[in-house]
Amino acid sequence: EDQVTQSPEALRLQEGESSSLNCSYTVSGLRGLFWYRQDPGKGPEFLFTLYSAGEEKEKERLKATLTKKESFLHITAPKPEDSATYLCAVQAGTASKLTFGTGTRLQVTL
Amino acid sequence: DTAVSQTPKYLVTQMGNDKSIKCEQNLGHDTMYWYKQDSKKFLKIMFSYNNKELIINETVPNRFSPKSPDKAHLNLHINSLELGDSAVYFCASSLLVSDNEQFFGPGTRLTVL
Repeated sequence: EDQVTQSPEALRLQEGESSSLNCSYTVSGLRGLFWYRQDPGKGPEFLFTLYSAGEEKEKERLKATLTKKESFLHITAPKPEDSATYLCAVQAGTASKLTFGTGTRLQVTL
Repeated sequence: DTAVSQTPKYLVTQMGNDKSIKCEQNLGHDTMYWYKQDSKKFLKIMFSYNNKELIINETVPNRFSPKSPDKAHLNLHINSLELGDSAVYFCASSLLVSDNEQFFGPGTRLTVL
């Protein structure tokens, strides 16, 4: 069965303090790894899809990378508005479903 | 101009009741999904429909029955509600069944008393 583990569970950063979130996965036949952002009381919002090891994608202060076993979401010089829960998910084999990790709750303070 | 909408946003009901949650997407997508997010924020797939046809049915009690009258709508009916059904239910859609970007609705918080 596909497994996705995210760490840390929660992370508190000061504004401007860069860090990384980790997503480790065990799947058979990875088709894609996804990062979503979820704000309190809202549905997840799509950020990135990564398809193969070595791939990187960037959006504003966020950069996602992928290896054969894990993905990192790097946050450079975060701002308070980056505070949210970041979810990692995988799509594997022939299934269209996403298997999610439990998320990293990020809080960025002034 | 909401892409994926759900009603109601909040649902509070007694154990044993039957309730429905409605979902509509105006994106022209072929595939729709229901996810359940528990109190620990774990998001898990329940069902998926592609063009009104059921394609994913995870291990979900048969008290849960999805219905897709057309490809823009996917409703979730729950019979004989139990305390453990309390959660946030999210509807999502994607352009194709093989598509990777899923668009989520705002969620329906179900509380069973």
